[in-house]
Amino acid sequence: EVQMLESGGGLVQPGGSLRLSCAASGFTFSSYAMTWVRQAPGKGLEWVSTISGSGDSTYYADSVKGRFTISRDNSENTLYLQMNSLRAEDTAVYFCAKGANWGWRGVDYWGQGNLVTVSS
Amino acid sequence: DIVMTQSPDSLAVSLGERATINCKSSQSVLSSSNNKNYLVWYQQKPGQPPKVLIYWASTRESGVPDRFSGSGSGTDFTLTISSLQAEDVAVYYCQQYYTTPSAFGQGTKVEIK
Repeated sequence: EVQMLESGGGLVQPGGSLRLSCAASGFTFSSYAMTWVRQAPGKGLEWVSTISGSGDSTYYADSVKGRFTISRDNSENTLYLQMNSLRAEDTAVYFCAKGANWGWRGVDYWGQGNLVTVSS
Repeated sequence: DIVMTQSPDSLAVSLGERATINCKSSQSVLSSSNNKNYLVWYQQKPGQPPKVLIYWASTRESGVPDRFSGSGSGTDFTLTISSLQAEDVAVYYCQQYYTTPSAFGQGTKVEIK
């Protein structure tokens, strides 16, 4: 069974940093791209970042480029999102998601999500 | 960047009636190399992560009831729930996975009338 468990969220002040982790199981982690998607309270889904299976290629939304860094440890089956210079508008539930078999930019399994709140 | 626009933002349908959601992309998401539309539909219920319903614009995910169907090509797509059930109350999103950034539509909230 595919499972993804996010951790590392919480309350942080504007300008601060936070690192999210996503522990994956139930599939060959290194064979799939992985994606972070966020959802601000009461709002829709926003694609944040994607990393290839090998980790060699990364992609970012303009809204986070230069502030967030996606990475992965294939030996530990874990995905990361390092978030720096956080802003109030980064407040959201962050979902870790597995790249789909039918298209690596799509996602077919989602974690339960992890809330990040940026506030003073 | 491709922009995805859904309509309507919300709709209320009687139980057993048809619900139709539209999704329009600002550029074609049809690949000439494989003749496939890179369009997926998700369902999100309150407090839950999204779930895949339809990919390749019209291929139903395993386990998804056949009352859900997807159609369209190029830039215009439709998700149809042929006979709305109480458990279908949710927000529905389309997403293009043709290019990066892989944008989502703004979502359509489906309720019972």
